[in-house]
Amino acid sequence: AQSVAQPEDQVNVAEGNPLTVKCTYSVSGNPYLFWYVQYPNRGLQFLLKYITGDNLVKGSYGFEAEFNKSQTSFHLKKPSALVSDSALYFCAVRDMIKAAGNKLTFGGGTRVLVKP
Amino acid sequence: DGGITQSPKYLFRKEGQNVTLSCEQNLNHDAMYWYRQDPGQGLRLIYYSQIVNDFQKGDIAEGYSVSREKKESFPLTVTSAQKNPTAFYLCAIQTSGTGELFFGEGSRLTVL
Repeated sequence: AQSVAQPEDQVNVAEGNPLTVKCTYSVSGNPYLFWYVQYPNRGLQFLLKYITGDNLVKGSYGFEAEFNKSQTSFHLKKPSALVSDSALYFCAVRDMIKAAGNKLTFGGGTRVLVKP
Repeated sequence: DGGITQSPKYLFRKEGQNVTLSCEQNLNHDAMYWYRQDPGQGLRLIYYSQIVNDFQKGDIAEGYSVSREKKESFPLTVTSAQKNPTAFYLCAIQTSGTGELFFGEGSRLTVL
């Protein structure tokens, strides 16, 4: 079965400093990996995805994520955080073996607080 | 996403009442999903549909029902059998191929 872990419930960072949100996954086959952001009382917004190829994926709003197969990780990063990046972030995985179907599994979310 | 419309945004209901949440899409995608989100928690899958006239239970289907009579519409009914229905409900469509989800803006249901 596929699973995702986001080990940190909350990440605090000062504005202008680098931001990292951690994600590890477990799948039987090859993974498709996704990051989403959620602002209060809003739906989830798609940030980026890893399918294959370059391990460093660039996405919306200056975010990027690094796929590491040996560590089964897909950490989200931003070189210089903004106060407006304060939100709830979700990692998700889709196991590409046929038996897994098409469903995504989400992590529990990490709240990011960027202080001025 | 502008192509996925959930309504109502906020809904209040008395205990014992059924309520239906609407999810409409004009993006022509086959697969649609319903998730439940509780405060400070992640997403839990209620029901999903890969194609018209077909749907499957997710992890927490008890007390919920759905229909998929049209490609554009996937309404969720929260029945009186759902013991703790107060939550934020999210509908999503899934792209073909890589399969990322795109979400509506959500419906917040409060049981009084």
